[in-house]
Amino acid sequence: DIQMTQSPSSLSASVGDRVTITCRASQSISNYLLWYQQKPGKAPKLLIYAASTLQSGVPSRFSGSGSGTHFTLTISSLQPEDFATYYCQQSYAIPRIAFGQGTRLEIK
Amino acid sequence: QLQLQESGPGLVKPSETLSLNCTVSGGSISTNTYYWTWIRQPPGKGLEWIGTIYFTGTTYYNPSLKSRVGISVDTSKNQFYLKLSSVTAADRAVYYCARLPIAASGPGLEFWGQGTLVTVSS
Repeated sequence: DIQMTQSPSSLSASVGDRVTITCRASQSISNYLLWYQQKPGKAPKLLIYAASTLQSGVPSRFSGSGSGTHFTLTISSLQPEDFATYYCQQSYAIPRIAFGQGTRLEIK
Repeated sequence: QLQLQESGPGLVKPSETLSLNCTVSGGSISTNTYYWTWIRQPPGKGLEWIGTIYFTGTTYYNPSLKSRVGISVDTSKNQFYLKLSSVTAADRAVYYCARLPIAASGPGLEFWGQGTLVTVSS
């Protein structure tokens, strides 16, 4: 099974900051990596797929990069609505998917 | 617009079987470009993939739950189902159904149900 590990588990930042979240896969997954944002009480929302493709309607301050086993999600300038929990997910082994444990982004 | 809606009991007794339905509207479940999947999230914790089904009935399960999980589909009703047997308090979670593209490079889990909280208690 492919294991996904995110870091950090939590992060405090201020509006306007640039933040980066990392996701590592236990084996190479090419670019089959997605990022989701989840707010309390809501289902996750897709942000990025194929490691770097922005989902329609997602602000351009979000970007993704990486391939193989190392991936990053960057938010270039944090907005108040970006404080949430972020998850990576591998789609290499579809239909057997797996998520990272999540990164909680909090207001400093 | 595709919509998914989970339904089922919100309270299940320990050792019994959790049963949930997912109704798909705004699109057909009998599509050759998507799977249908169940995901759960214990309160305050992360997302866990439970299993996935294709409209033909082919299933794929998380090895950690495989001995207790059954997923099925009824294409005539545009629904798919989850059964989880021998539940314990550790199975308390919000259960989501979602659509999963067959293409690994595809846009992932775009559509989710709103989630339903299932509590395990006597």
